[in-house]
Amino acid sequence: SAVISQKPSRDICQRGTSLTIQCQVDSQVTMMFWYRQQPGQSLTLIATANQGSEATYESGFVIDKFPISRPNLTFSTLTVSNLSPEDSSIYLCSVDSLGGQRTSGGETQYFGPGTRLLVL
Amino acid sequence: LAKTTQPISMDSYEGQEVNITCSHNNIATNDYITWYQQFPSQGPRFIIQGYKTKVTNEVASLFIPADRKSSTLSLPRVSLSDTAVYYCLVALSGGYNKLIFGAGTRLAVHP
Repeated sequence: SAVISQKPSRDICQRGTSLTIQCQVDSQVTMMFWYRQQPGQSLTLIATANQGSEATYESGFVIDKFPISRPNLTFSTLTVSNLSPEDSSIYLCSVDSLGGQRTSGGETQYFGPGTRLLVL
Repeated sequence: LAKTTQPISMDSYEGQEVNITCSHNNIATNDYITWYQQFPSQGPRFIIQGYKTKVTNEVASLFIPADRKSSTLSLPRVSLSDTAVYYCLVALSGGYNKLIFGAGTRLAVHP
């Protein structure tokens, strides 16, 4: 089955710096999604990244703080800029379909293992 | 997008059947009901999806009444490894739709 990987798996950063998180899929996918999961909380969608177009951000998330790249059908990056302790979270990417094959029925997404970020 | 409501936490013991009920009163005609499982330090994992009546796979069963305003995830004979957070989502059909996660149910299985 297809594999979704994220780098780094965890990091500790100083406030004011930035961290870029990579998401790699071993098959081509149309849509990639970025989520944030704060400690003990549920997942919150940050943005949707479609190859070849600007990412679509959810309410409360802006491109200046969370720039996203989607250069091809297997890769995306999320940068968390100007870090503050409130950005300490797990960041997860997900994809809409693996191997380009969509199943019938409702939306189904496959998640990477997440990147655990601690900001000091 | 329909909002879902499920218990915050549940406790069970090894070997018992666990049923987690989710309410989705505003579910739309094109919505499917989807459940995800998340272990600590991992991303959520899709476990089952249904539209109406009953769906069963190797992991769980999903019961959906005729009015589709609720659904019940059934885990047969749980083990310690089933300790996880379970999320109920209502997901549009048609592809390339975002998922909105609710609070989830934190299931603790005890020896």
